[in-house]
Amino acid sequence: DTEVTQTPKHLVMGMTNKKSLKCEQHMGHRAMYWYKQKAKKPPELMFVYSYEKLSINESVPSRFSPECPNSSLLNLHLHALQPEDSALYLCASSQEGQYQPQHFGDGTRLSIL
Amino acid sequence: DQQVKQNSPSLSVQEGRISILNCDYTNSMFDYFLWYKKYPAEGPTFLISISSIKDKNEDGRFTVFLNKSAKHLSLHIVPSQPGDSAVYFCAASDGPGNQFYFGTGTSLTVIP
Repeated sequence: DTEVTQTPKHLVMGMTNKKSLKCEQHMGHRAMYWYKQKAKKPPELMFVYSYEKLSINESVPSRFSPECPNSSLLNLHLHALQPEDSALYLCASSQEGQYQPQHFGDGTRLSIL
Repeated sequence: DQQVKQNSPSLSVQEGRISILNCDYTNSMFDYFLWYKKYPAEGPTFLISISSIKDKNEDGRFTVFLNKSAKHLSLHIVPSQPGDSAVYFCAASDGPGNQFYFGTGTSLTVIP
């Protein structure tokens, strides 16, 4: 069982919809991450939060909007997505500092119609 | 440009034999390396790590070897079991901030 929980597991939405992906961890980790993974490709980092503050934004389009309401929760708000945004969205968390592995959730499979 | 590469997309091994998965990197600043295992419909699961001050780390059936001069690491699984069948990703980090760069993965099949 993963200790990082992502909901929903699957999401189908139209290009004009607004939806949110949610991620939760109770391991006391202070760093949280969003990744995007396309089929047969490695995960690509989107955002990093450290102590609930956005520390890395990998030039992600503004139609993706992250939010970290507290140390256990991480959201990704979606608006006006494009078909090419269809992918697996993975959340991860880790202890702060060097040499700390990231622990992943099972992801949300997103399909844009 | 891909900084972490796994040149073998797939590997098949007989049960009980050794599985060797390889990973190459280009950035000499990478100092922390991990291996993840991924089953279908699940997220990557952390398997084993190694920092650049070591050249070997062992955890049960899993051993990771790091050759800094060759910018190469490998994961050895001995003995291989059918439950090890999964996609294996290597990942590397260049220090604090913990940004990881992932390889493209190797799909391991262990044949009973």
